[in-house]
Amino acid sequence: EAQVTQNPRYLITVTGKKLTVTCSQNMNHEYMSWYRQDPGLGLRQIYYSMNVEVTDKGDVPEGYKVSRKEKRNFPLILESPSPNQTSLYFCASSPHTSGRTPVGNEQFFGPGTRLTVL
Amino acid sequence: QQPVQSPQAVILREGEDAVINCSSSKALYSVHWYRQKHGEAPVFLMILLKGGEQKGHDKISASFNEKKQQSSLYLTASQLSYSGTYFCGTEGTGNQFYFGTGTSLTVIP
Repeated sequence: EAQVTQNPRYLITVTGKKLTVTCSQNMNHEYMSWYRQDPGLGLRQIYYSMNVEVTDKGDVPEGYKVSRKEKRNFPLILESPSPNQTSLYFCASSPHTSGRTPVGNEQFFGPGTRLTVL
Repeated sequence: QQPVQSPQAVILREGEDAVINCSSSKALYSVHWYRQKHGEAPVFLMILLKGGEQKGHDKISASFNEKKQQSSLYLTASQLSYSGTYFCGTEGTGNQFYFGTGTSLTVIP
């Protein structure tokens, strides 16, 4: 089944304790992205990747890191989480087709990770 | 560069129509529309590319006016299953993606 998976689905942690949220897709998509969703603010892009070893900042990258060593995986790293990073996080992927911009296709979303930082 | 949507929220009775608007301050190459049900991930509805085309998805259609940097989503004869939050999305310079502020749609019997 074509899908985007994220782990963990729920996480409660404390300020300063490094954590990683994993994201994996099995559709061979080039473009992958991380979003955070907060009430009243919608979904905001944190980082995106156009392919292996190609990553770039989205709208709200501060306090986050990413890597793209393999095409299928795009982990989100919080080196020193703070309470303002409490949020619902979504990973998404989309294919790149000829004639379209890299993010010009449907994005497939993972189920989300609800993170609470105390 | 986050697009602005209006209205923020709307309540409809089954069978009524609704329009959701999406407006950007930047030139648009395309507009994407997604629906998110409570507790779930966003789900893709449609993409509209430059050219003012109108696309449809069941009884949901949309238009895109790139000169006005606006898009509208039309929900016809709404069903209970249409309830959720609707987001437009636009591509930024440098391959970023911006979702709109969202419109909560509630359909009641």
